[in-house]
Amino acid sequence: DAKTTQPTSMDCAEGRAANLPCNHSTISGNEYVYWYRQIHSQGPQYIIHGLKNNETNEMASLIITEDRKSSTLILPHATLRDTAVYYCIVGSSNYKLTFGKGTLLTVNP
Amino acid sequence: SAVISQKPSRDICQRGTSLTIQCQVDSQVTMMFWYRQQPGQSLTLIATANQGSEATYESGFVIDKFPISRPNLTFSTLTVSNMSPEDSSIYLCSVEGGVEETQYFGPGTRLLVL
Repeated sequence: DAKTTQPTSMDCAEGRAANLPCNHSTISGNEYVYWYRQIHSQGPQYIIHGLKNNETNEMASLIITEDRKSSTLILPHATLRDTAVYYCIVGSSNYKLTFGKGTLLTVNP
Repeated sequence: SAVISQKPSRDICQRGTSLTIQCQVDSQVTMMFWYRQQPGQSLTLIATANQGSEATYESGFVIDKFPISRPNLTFSTLTVSNMSPEDSSIYLCSVEGGVEETQYFGPGTRLLVL
């Protein structure tokens, strides 16, 4: 599976959009981009995934560049409860996830 | 979405002993997974457990140390055998989300080995 690069940490003001970047320059054609998050002391939570089109659900939007070498997870109106470690994972199957270190997003009041 | 429970939620154990962790899901699923999260680290997949077949272990994990049972489509156990302090971790089970292409994770079992 392709490797991903994410910033170690980010801050965001409550109510503002949080934009979390992920680089995956070695992604192959059949690999998806998955985003999960882990709130402290809880199990990871699925957020969204995509192949090449932008995706949106009730939690977030996923923007994938045309060359698919990077993506951005957007939380449109961050709340304090969105403080978590966000993992960007690339793989051909959701059934063998390789978690990196992720980005610690801290939403500040 | 699947609802997953794990027992125990946490435990403190003595080295050399074994602990069996239970994972229960509220719907039938084919694939269940066991992960380990060492202190301050990310998640690492231990093994995949399908009902009716032997578990498939990832590199660095062996059945003698982490035996897994999968007696039916809603339940699995992971045993951490002959524990040492290095086994102190959070152990998480997850299940495949079917057509939604997701994984649902349990709350984890926090293990401290003294």
